[in-house]
Amino acid sequence: EAGVVQSPRYKIIEKKQPVAFWCNPISGHNTLYWYRQNLGQGPELLIRYENEEAVDDSQLPKDRFSAERLKGVDSTLKIQPAELGDSAVYLCASSLRANSGANVLTFGAGSRLTVL
Amino acid sequence: GEDVEQSLFLSVREGDSSVINCTYTDSSSTYLYWYKQEPGAGLQLLTYIFSNMDMKQDQRLTVLLNKKDKHLSLRIADTQTGDSAIYFCAERYDYKLSFGAGTTVTVRA
Repeated sequence: EAGVVQSPRYKIIEKKQPVAFWCNPISGHNTLYWYRQNLGQGPELLIRYENEEAVDDSQLPKDRFSAERLKGVDSTLKIQPAELGDSAVYLCASSLRANSGANVLTFGAGSRLTVL
Repeated sequence: GEDVEQSLFLSVREGDSSVINCTYTDSSSTYLYWYKQEPGAGLQLLTYIFSNMDMKQDQRLTVLLNKKDKHLSLRIADTQTGDSAIYFCAERYDYKLSFGAGTTVTVRA
């Protein structure tokens, strides 16, 4: 099993530029999450998908962030335009179903964004 | 809202036991988790405990839960150099996981 795959692993951009991150969850996992992890902090939820529906995007800064999960499998997270404060690691995670028992999340390795 | 707190650093000698502590605020939490993060990697689930349990043991790992005090701990027996990492406590509230800031564990020879 490949696990949760994310790309790119690293991205350096200048402020005001756009950036996109891609995530391929574990096969069969209906729930997909995007988390942001600032330096020295724990991950914070940005958005949660159940299949292709965004069921919790309350923490997503919608003025510059957007996400999609077409066909309920892969997902992309976009920032446009990026700001200095967006520098962080963007983690994708997946689980079988959000309401299934312990709902164990499997995380990808993350995409580290540096905005100059 | 949810708030999870952990001490930031722990230094332990190889072969000793490590104890990482965590406090959480939401008494409605159903599950509590411990994740491990090594440099440049994502979070790896170590173990979890259901809120109606007070202890769970899994090989070298022992989780203790005190619901009255909202206190969770992770004990690692016979700590090895490969245990050096950041350990995150997380509580599940509704469908959301809330993480602490992480405890950096350094294992010295």
